[in-house]
Amino acid sequence: EPEVTQTPSHQVTQMGQEVILRCVPISNHLYFYWYRQILGQKVEFLVSFYNNEISEKSEIFDDQFSVERPDGSNFTLKIRSTKLEDSAMYFCASSGSGRIGELFFGEGSRLTVL
Amino acid sequence: SQQGEEDPQALSIQEGENATMNCSYKTSINNLQWYRQNSGRGLVHLILIRSNEREKHSGRLRVTLDTSKKSSSLLITASRAADTASYFCATQDSNYQLIWGAGTKLIIKP
Repeated sequence: EPEVTQTPSHQVTQMGQEVILRCVPISNHLYFYWYRQILGQKVEFLVSFYNNEISEKSEIFDDQFSVERPDGSNFTLKIRSTKLEDSAMYFCASSGSGRIGELFFGEGSRLTVL
Repeated sequence: SQQGEEDPQALSIQEGENATMNCSYKTSINNLQWYRQNSGRGLVHLILIRSNEREKHSGRLRVTLDTSKKSSSLLITASRAADTASYFCATQDSNYQLIWGAGTKLIIKP
């Protein structure tokens, strides 16, 4: 069964460093998302991406964040200068049924900022 | 912004019993979805119920939606140890974003 894959599964970084989290969405899906979940807290929307551009973003997704689909398969989330409060699980998701409906999530990338 | 809130926050039951989790939200929605998350793992979609639907079944899962009360319930019948997980409701409105509740942590005791 097709699945969303994310790498790395866990990254530890120093505050102020740049981090890139990678995702390979399901191949025929057109809508891509990043969410994050701080330990023990709610899942929070970061950004959605369609047709090679951001379609929506939340207040969390500030200038330190960017997304890219560089080669038609990978979907990356970059955090330019990490802060302690960026420590969280980051989930990539994709959707094939348009903007309404079921999302397929990856297993997540755990980011620890020291 | 709208917000899904699950109730209870935690639920511990014996294997074989039924588990019921509730979700309330604040504004009008296009659909409501339930997801499961095993500890430290990704989110797995369980079921989607549209705003014009009142009840939906999938295997041992039964979801109801009451748009007048802005609430939904997820019933897991004949629970198994493997059902131990956190369960989240997420509402989707005309802006397409999924807004998540805080989740119910379900523990099934053998």
